[in-house]
Amino acid sequence: DVKVTQSSRYLVKRTGEKVFLECVQDMDHENMFWYRQDPGLGLRLIYFSYDVKMKEKGDIPEGYSVSREKKERFSLILESASTNQTSMYLCASRGGETQYFGPGTRLLVL
Amino acid sequence: SQKIEQNSEALNIQEGKTATLTCNYTNYSPAYLQWYRQDPGRGPVFLLLIRENEKEKRKERLKVTFDTTLKQSLFHITASQPADSATYLCALDMSRGNTPLVFGKGTRLSVIA
Repeated sequence: DVKVTQSSRYLVKRTGEKVFLECVQDMDHENMFWYRQDPGLGLRLIYFSYDVKMKEKGDIPEGYSVSREKKERFSLILESASTNQTSMYLCASRGGETQYFGPGTRLLVL
Repeated sequence: SQKIEQNSEALNIQEGKTATLTCNYTNYSPAYLQWYRQDPGRGPVFLLLIRENEKEKRKERLKVTFDTTLKQSLFHITASQPADSATYLCALDMSRGNTPLVFGKGTRLSVIA
C-alpha cells in the first residue's frame, strides 16, 4: 500500500514564526503536491513538484515556499506564518493515474 | 481556465436509498475524471477513475458515469449505509498525469438510518 506521511497532525505556531511541514512518500512517485483546504473553498494547490529539485507554483503560492532535495520528501515552508495561514494542509503524491493523500496537518497560527 | 462544480454542498438521504452526486465542468473534457472520498479531519482517498472514452464504471456499490456531451459525471452509491457518510470530491485530469488534478469543492453526504 502506498503510504504518504506528514510530520505532524496538529501544529500551533505564533505569527512571524518559520514553519516547516514535512511530507514523505514510500512509493518512489515522481509527482508530489501541497494543498490547503478551508471550509467552503475546497482544496487549493499551493506548490507541486514533478522531480527532485524541481518546483512549480500552484494557484496560491504567496507566503509559501517548498523544497524537494530527495525524491521521497517534499517540504512546505511558511517563511513568516500569519493568521490567514491557519488551515488544513494536505500533501499528496501521484504515480500514474491515482493520487494518494497524507492524513493532513491542521495548523493554527496565533 | 477549467471550472468544476459539484452542485450540492450537502445531500441527505435515507439509508438503503441510492445517493446520486453530480460533477459538472466547463471547457474541455478531461482525459480522466476521478472520484475521492474524504472523512472529517482526514485526507481524501481515491475511489474510482473513468476515462473519456468510457460511459460507465462500477465498483461494488459504486457507479460512475461520464457524459462528455453534457460535460457531467454522476456518482451513485446504491443501498447506501450510514458508513457512506463523508464528503465526496470529483477531480479532473486534463492530461493523463502531466498537469495537476483540478478538484471540485465536494459534496457532503449524510446517510440517515
